[in-house]
Amino acid sequence: AQSVTQLDSQVPVFEEAPVELRCNYSSSVSVYLFWYVQYPNQGLQLLLKYLSGSTLVKGINGFEAEFNKSQTSFHLRKPSVHISDTAEYFCAVTHGGGKLIFGQGTELSVKP
Amino acid sequence: DTEVTQTPKHLVMGMTNKKSLKCEQHMGHRAMYWYKQKAKKPPELMFVYSYEKLSINESVPSRFSPECPNSSLLNLHLHALQPEDSALYLCASSPDGKETQYFGPGTRLLVL
Repeated sequence: AQSVTQLDSQVPVFEEAPVELRCNYSSSVSVYLFWYVQYPNQGLQLLLKYLSGSTLVKGINGFEAEFNKSQTSFHLRKPSVHISDTAEYFCAVTHGGGKLIFGQGTELSVKP
Repeated sequence: DTEVTQTPKHLVMGMTNKKSLKCEQHMGHRAMYWYKQKAKKPPELMFVYSYEKLSINESVPSRFSPECPNSSLLNLHLHALQPEDSALYLCASSPDGKETQYFGPGTRLLVL
């Protein structure tokens, strides 16, 4: 069975500071990994995904993530955050069988 | 274009009402999904349709009835709901049901 752990439920950060949202997964088979963002009262928007190939993945809005197979991690980073990045962020994993397993989410709060 | 549309945006219904949620995509995706999301929680998978056939039902109560009339359209029929069914209902689609899922904006349902 697969599982996803987002290590921080809330991350407060000041505007223009760097941020890292942590995600660890467990799986006995190869997986595909995703980060989604959910702004208040909206659906989920795909930020980036790792399917194969380069372990450093770049996404929208200046975010990037690095797949680390040995540490089973897929941490999300942004070098300089904006107020508009305030949202809920979900890490998710699938082995390709149609079921997407989500972490519990990390609430990113960017303060001026 | 990675757009999934959902109607209505908001829905209020009584416990004896019958209503339907609608989801549409025109990306040629062959898999479509219904999720339920409670506040401050990740989405929970309800149903998966693959090539217009129901492939996954996550033990959802029969008061929720999915329907996939064609490859672009997914409905969720609601009958005799309970107040605890109040939530954000999200639809998603993916090209082949194996990897990347794209989400719609959701329907916020309130059951009185």
